[in-house]
Amino acid sequence: KAGVTQTPRYLIKTRGQQVTLSCSPISGHRSVSWYQQTPGQGLQFLFEYFSETQRNKGNFPGRFSGRQFSNSRSEMNVSTLELGDSALYLCASSLFGTGGPYEQYFGPGTRLTVT
Amino acid sequence: SQQGEEDPQALSIQEGENATMNCSYKTSINNLQWYRQNSGRGLVHLILIRSNEREKHSGRLRVTLDTSKKSSSLLITASRAADTASYFCATDLWETSGSRLTFGEGTQLTVNP
Repeated sequence: KAGVTQTPRYLIKTRGQQVTLSCSPISGHRSVSWYQQTPGQGLQFLFEYFSETQRNKGNFPGRFSGRQFSNSRSEMNVSTLELGDSALYLCASSLFGTGGPYEQYFGPGTRLTVT
Repeated sequence: SQQGEEDPQALSIQEGENATMNCSYKTSINNLQWYRQNSGRGLVHLILIRSNEREKHSGRLRVTLDTSKKSSSLLITASRAADTASYFCATDLWETSGSRLTFGEGTQLTVNP
């Protein structure tokens, strides 16, 4: 099976702009989660989607949003970018069912730089 | 904020030696997972241990979990240069409402050839 794919891999944006990141989960995986990784804060949970519904949300401002499509692909949007949003954004997919918990499979990440 | 703390923050050993990394956490968990990350790339899942398990093995990896002490350890035996990476523990309050990993700060392991 193909792994989790994320596009684009690298992105440079200017303060005040908005950005959309895309994630395609492993075939058959219905849960998609997003994480932000920075040198100062480490790995932090952003949100999780399952069947097009956001089930969990981390402690991030409303500028961070996401959605999931019927084919389980997910997008994450950050509006009004700030310098502090520069980070590696990681997407993870997981099987989900009554037999859980299940490990999460991570994509290679999107490196966002805000100037 | 990070739930977990990992110890040591950095570890340097020679090829063939064993490496032990420790992780402590603060709240009750459903399971604990260990991940490896090579130089700012994606995370690779290593082992998942449930809260009712005490020890788990996978190849050269051995993970222990002590829920009374809220701690876990990862042992890599007979280390190789290719094991050089950052290792993270992540706790999960997995419920039927879904998964949400809380990561530790990580241990940077360097295995010298």
